[in-house]
Amino acid sequence: NAGVMQNPRHLVRRRGQEARLRCSPMKGHSHVYWYRQLPEEGLKFMVYLQKENIIDESGMPKERFSAEFPKEGPSILRIQQVVRGDSAAYFCASSPRGQGFDTEAFFGQGTRLTVV
Amino acid sequence: GEDVEQSLFLSVREGDSSVINCTYTDSSSTYLYWYKQEPGAGLQLLTYIFSNMDMKQDQRLTVLLNKKDKHLSLRIADTQTGDSAIYFCASPRGDSSYKLIFGSGTRLLVRP
Repeated sequence: NAGVMQNPRHLVRRRGQEARLRCSPMKGHSHVYWYRQLPEEGLKFMVYLQKENIIDESGMPKERFSAEFPKEGPSILRIQQVVRGDSAAYFCASSPRGQGFDTEAFFGQGTRLTVV
Repeated sequence: GEDVEQSLFLSVREGDSSVINCTYTDSSSTYLYWYKQEPGAGLQLLTYIFSNMDMKQDQRLTVLLNKKDKHLSLRIADTQTGDSAIYFCASPRGDSSYKLIFGSGTRLLVRP
């Protein structure tokens, strides 16, 4: 059973371009979480999705950012018109049920986005 | 709002014990986590402790919780070079247990 797979591992975009980050959850996991880690900081919650539904997007910037988790295929975090401040590591985690003390969320290796 | 704070850096000699400290503000947290992040990797859950416990031991790891002071610590006995990593404490947000509040991480360097 492969772990949470994120790709690409590294992504370089010029200011104004679009960034698409992919996350394939572990087999059997229907809950996905996206976190962002700025340099020298901890992870900050962005969004929680179940298949085809956004459960909580309270951590998402209001503009340029969107996330989806379709019925088939990976979850996608999309950043339009990237700016330098979007440079960060983006981590995805998945769980079979809502994450809690009895349900561990497993993290992927992250996508490191650099905006030049 | 909720906040979790950690010291940024700790350096120890191989074989010594390491103690990583964390303070949190959300008193409604029913459990707290410790994660390990190795270079270029994702986060690995090390252990968790319920808020009604004072201590939890798991092999070389000992977690101490002082709920009155909202202080959490992770002790690693007989620290090895493979323990070099960034350690994060995390607290689930009281009203949304799936939403973890992470500290900024403590970078542990183990010297041979």
